[in-house]
Amino acid sequence: SAVISQKPSRDICQRGTSLTIQCQVDSQVTMMFWYRQQPGQSLTLIATANQGSEATYESGFVIDKFPISRPNLTFSTLTVSNMSPEDSSIYLCSAQDRQNIQYFGAGTRLSVL
Amino acid sequence: AQKITQTQPGMFVQEKEAVTLDCTYDTSDQSYGLFWYKQPSSGEMIFLIYQGSYDEQNATEGRYSLNFQKARKSANLVISASQLGDSAMYFCAMREVYYSGGYQKVTFGTGTKLQVIP
Repeated sequence: SAVISQKPSRDICQRGTSLTIQCQVDSQVTMMFWYRQQPGQSLTLIATANQGSEATYESGFVIDKFPISRPNLTFSTLTVSNMSPEDSSIYLCSAQDRQNIQYFGAGTRLSVL
Repeated sequence: AQKITQTQPGMFVQEKEAVTLDCTYDTSDQSYGLFWYKQPSSGEMIFLIYQGSYDEQNATEGRYSLNFQKARKSANLVISASQLGDSAMYFCAMREVYYSGGYQKVTFGTGTKLQVIP
């Protein structure tokens, strides 16, 4: 298994600003993922973040809006840039262990005013 | 077509009773994985159970079991002896491996909200 610490747990931000979410895993993992969950909806994959390579973004998500860093095998960040109220969501980080199970952080509840 | 279909937006179950949450999936791959996650109102996603496409036995984890019917492409979650703490959203998910891109993707269903009645 993997234990994932994600912070901040919640934030209220002003339109036009940026927020960086941090994700720390208690063991080395190859694959980490970032998801968005809009209110009352399911999870949507934003991007896959593999150490040593550029993040792979899903359709509808671009690097300029959601830059991701993956400096090592236990850490990743997601930045939500130039925020608008439509970015208000829960953002979840996950990591895949050696049994190919994805474990999740507690999520970041973002509200944009 | 939807990759993962959960047709029950909401379910009620009496405490101590068993409940089945439905999940059907669509894939042409031979190798894939199926998951169930629980999301309480706090928002965290809690891994419950996993079934690999080649696993012959149905997965079980404590009070959770996965009723895997490969030919019907269904992966229903059975919760036995429901407890009040089981009230939450439950998501079915499927992992597919895209060899051409060298990466994996997990797709989630729309979820079922389970409410356990005392």
